[in-house]
Amino acid sequence: QSALTQPASVSGSPGQSITISCTGTSSDIGGYNLVSWYQHHPGKAPKLLIYEVNRRPSGVSNRFSGSQSGSTASLTISGLKAEDEADYYCCSYAGSLTWLFGGGTKLTVL
Amino acid sequence: EVQLVESGGGLVQPGGSLRLSCAASGFTFSSFAMSWVRQAPGKGLEWVSAFTFSGDTTSYADSVRGRFTISRDKSKNMLYLHMNSLRADDTAVYYCARRGDTSQFDYWGQGTLVTVSS
Repeated sequence: QSALTQPASVSGSPGQSITISCTGTSSDIGGYNLVSWYQHHPGKAPKLLIYEVNRRPSGVSNRFSGSQSGSTASLTISGLKAEDEADYYCCSYAGSLTWLFGGGTKLTVL
Repeated sequence: EVQLVESGGGLVQPGGSLRLSCAASGFTFSSFAMSWVRQAPGKGLEWVSAFTFSGDTTSYADSVRGRFTISRDKSKNMLYLHMNSLRADDTAVYYCARRGDTSQFDYWGQGTLVTVSS
């Protein structure tokens, strides 16, 4: 059960777009279309942004979008805002009622 | 409004035990699967344990299997995590999370801190 691989940090200026990658294997990301993404401001509850690779829960801005190719999933944030500065985590179902999270990516809005 | 409120964290010595609780409200607790997820200091999120909505299946991460037990009391809308043989690397903020229809964790609590230290 190794964690999914995410870049440790990404940065962008307000108004720009950034993409965070999440790499797994055929036993997790590649084996299921069940990738979800979470935004986590330290000290607060994580927030669901994307589920089933590219679906947004009600109330989540359409500036957040997800995609998947093989065993790599991606989260794109367009029109960056200062409030987007947070930690972002991918997660994949890994079979047998188990889940794997990525190591997390710290987004800095310059 | 869905609310999940964790409690029971604290300082415990290595080898000790602790029971975490999660009070659920704002939804039909018995109709949803639940999980525990933790975050060690300076580290990322780690899935710990899960409970199906039917209550007939539980699962655990390799790192806690045999030491932690997940349970629930439907009459009280409570989820629990019984933690035994605690180790220093179990030190973390523990979150209770509701699981949606397709394996996403759609609501989370604010977390409760467990510190394992002598």
